[in-house]
Amino acid sequence: GAGVSQSPSNKVTEKGKDVELRCDPISGHTALYWYRQSLGQGLEFLIYFQGNSAPDKSGLPSDRFSAERTGGSVSTLTIQRTQQEDSAVYLCASSLAYGSETQYFGPGTRLLVL
Amino acid sequence: AQSVTQLGSHVSVSEGALVLLRCNYSSSVPPYLFWYVQYPNQGLQLLLKYTSAATLVKGINGFEAEFKKSETSFHLTKPSAHMSDAAEYFCAVSWMNTGFQKLVFGTGTRLLVSP
Repeated sequence: GAGVSQSPSNKVTEKGKDVELRCDPISGHTALYWYRQSLGQGLEFLIYFQGNSAPDKSGLPSDRFSAERTGGSVSTLTIQRTQQEDSAVYLCASSLAYGSETQYFGPGTRLLVL
Repeated sequence: AQSVTQLGSHVSVSEGALVLLRCNYSSSVPPYLFWYVQYPNQGLQLLLKYTSAATLVKGINGFEAEFKKSETSFHLTKPSAHMSDAAEYFCAVSWMNTGFQKLVFGTGTRLLVSP
């Protein structure tokens, strides 16, 4: 079946602009995760959604970062007033349910802030 | 603190040689352990996982890993490297007491395979 999909695959933006990154999880997966992969910090957890519960935002690096998940499916990660240090690959993952240990990753969105 | 350490940012082997990628963890509660592989410009693909069942875990592409609690290790091995194994490998940990909400990753090991 279809895996996790992310769009766009690449995004170049100017410092100070807002960007939106999209994630479509595997159908039927109720848990959704965002991670960031950067040269300096490696792979970092950003945020976690499970069904209709309040998301775990403990990994978001600043209040410029936010995410939402509509209808328990598609998620959008928004970065406001982008900075050069936001340049990274943003990875989305989904898993079957809370307590399901295996996360399946999408191909990522490569963000470059000029 | 709960953490993951991967020894060696780069490992070079010849085609046909043994592959050994090291992963150690620090955890006060029983962990679940994972190895993921990342090919250039792609996402992470699950190779194998340990979830408190058999300590020797077999994964895809001929890889296996053994959970050793006494050594707090979960090293990844493959008896004979293939050129197509060249990629970056990440060890990751999650914990039952947090409902697997987060994966904590090691810094990754890039495997180079020479002919």
